Amino acid sequence: DAKTTQPPSMDCAEGRAANLPCNHSTISGNEYVYWYRQIHSQGPQYIIHGLKNNETNEMASLIITEDRKSSTLILPHATLRDTAVYYCIVIGGGGADGLTFGKGTHLIIQP
Amino acid sequence: DAGVTQSPTHLIKTRGQQVTLRCSPKSGHDTVSWYQQALGQGPQFIFQYYEEEERQRGNFPDRFSGHQFPNYSSELNVNALLLGDSALYLCASSWDRGHGKLFFGSGTQLSVL
Repeated sequence: DAKTTQPPSMDCAEGRAANLPCNHSTISGNEYVYWYRQIHSQGPQYIIHGLKNNETNEMASLIITEDRKSSTLILPHATLRDTAVYYCIVIGGGGADGLTFGKGTHLIIQP
Repeated sequence: DAGVTQSPTHLIKTRGQQVTLRCSPKSGHDTVSWYQQALGQGPQFIFQYYEEEERQRGNFPDRFSGHQFPNYSSELNVNALLLGDSALYLCASSWDRGHGKLFFGSGTQLSVL
């Protein structure tokens, strides 16, 4: 699975959009981009995933660049409860392997 | 619908002891994975159980073993505990190995003294 690079930390004002970048320049054609988050003292929570098209669900939007070498997770109206560590993970199309978590981005929502 | 449940929530052991952690998957899920999360680090994959067999394994020694029961629940066993085994142990479940979409429990915090 391709390696990902994320900034270690980011701040965002409450009510604003939080844009979390992820670089995965070695991603291959059948690999998916997944995002999880982990709120303090809880297990990771699945947010969203995509292959090449942009995706949106009730939690967030995922924008994948045309060359698929990077992506951005967007939380449209961040709240204090969105403060968490966000992990970007690339997974092969065959799936079923253990997830490889890096250190993620610690997103802090400021009141 | 209960999510993934783990027990106990906290545990204190001494070096050399053995420990068993338990996990009940989300209803309808048949695959269970275990992860170890050291303080300040992301979770590290230990192994995955599907159809009562270990299907995938991460870079962990044989001291770490597991089991999956016919009702899909699972146990993680760690023998000869080391101080470095102190961590949060997370269980995740999915359906049919689930690709990348896993549901995690809140974990068991293990402290080895």
